[in-house]
Amino acid sequence: GQQVMQIPQYQHVQEGEDFTTYCNSSTTLSNIQWYKQRPGGHPVFLIQLVKSGEVKKQKRLTFQFGEAKKNSSLHITATQTTDVGTYFCAGRDSNYQLIWGAGTKLIIKP
Amino acid sequence: GAVVSQHPSWVICKSGTSVKIECRSLDFQATTMFWYRQFPKQSLMLMATSNEGSKATYEQGVEKDKFLINHASLTLSTLTVTSAHPEDSSFYICSAFKREGRHNEQFFGPGTRLTVL
Repeated sequence: GQQVMQIPQYQHVQEGEDFTTYCNSSTTLSNIQWYKQRPGGHPVFLIQLVKSGEVKKQKRLTFQFGEAKKNSSLHITATQTTDVGTYFCAGRDSNYQLIWGAGTKLIIKP
Repeated sequence: GAVVSQHPSWVICKSGTSVKIECRSLDFQATTMFWYRQFPKQSLMLMATSNEGSKATYEQGVEKDKFLINHASLTLSTLTVTSAHPEDSSFYICSAFKREGRHNEQFFGPGTRLTVL
């Protein structure tokens, strides 16, 4: 079936370092959404990318959607403790179904 | 990784009818499942927490008599939208909580698109 692979599963960074998570779909997506889930919380919608090659920025977060609409990335510049959490991508397929990545857990080293 | 399925993936119904949506954890047991509702480009709105063998816990503002939740087994939770109206049209997503010792993960279903005419 359709899958979205998200890597890495975990990433440990020092505060101030950058963080990137990647999602790759086995099929072309209509759009891709990114969510952040804080520990003990529920996913919060960050952004939706629709266009091929689209790049969007939200302060220190940069989101990209690949030209083939099969891959996407989220990059955080100069991580802060408030960035801690699990970041999920979810691709929307042609049947309006959401195909979720497994999430990347961002951990800030003390 | 763990898989959560939902059925149906989409449904169109007439106003006043009831619709049942199933959420299954396919390869793990989930004592806790969550039901969310999502409007376009918006966050998942938590509706209720479903615990196996006990009553669901509903979020404030969610009518428990309107959205019936049954978590009958460790792999199945159902959401029934009773007497559906057009304003109930939405995308409904479930997730299942997998506990492995100290390690906990949440896995999401693909969603069910409900359209009430």
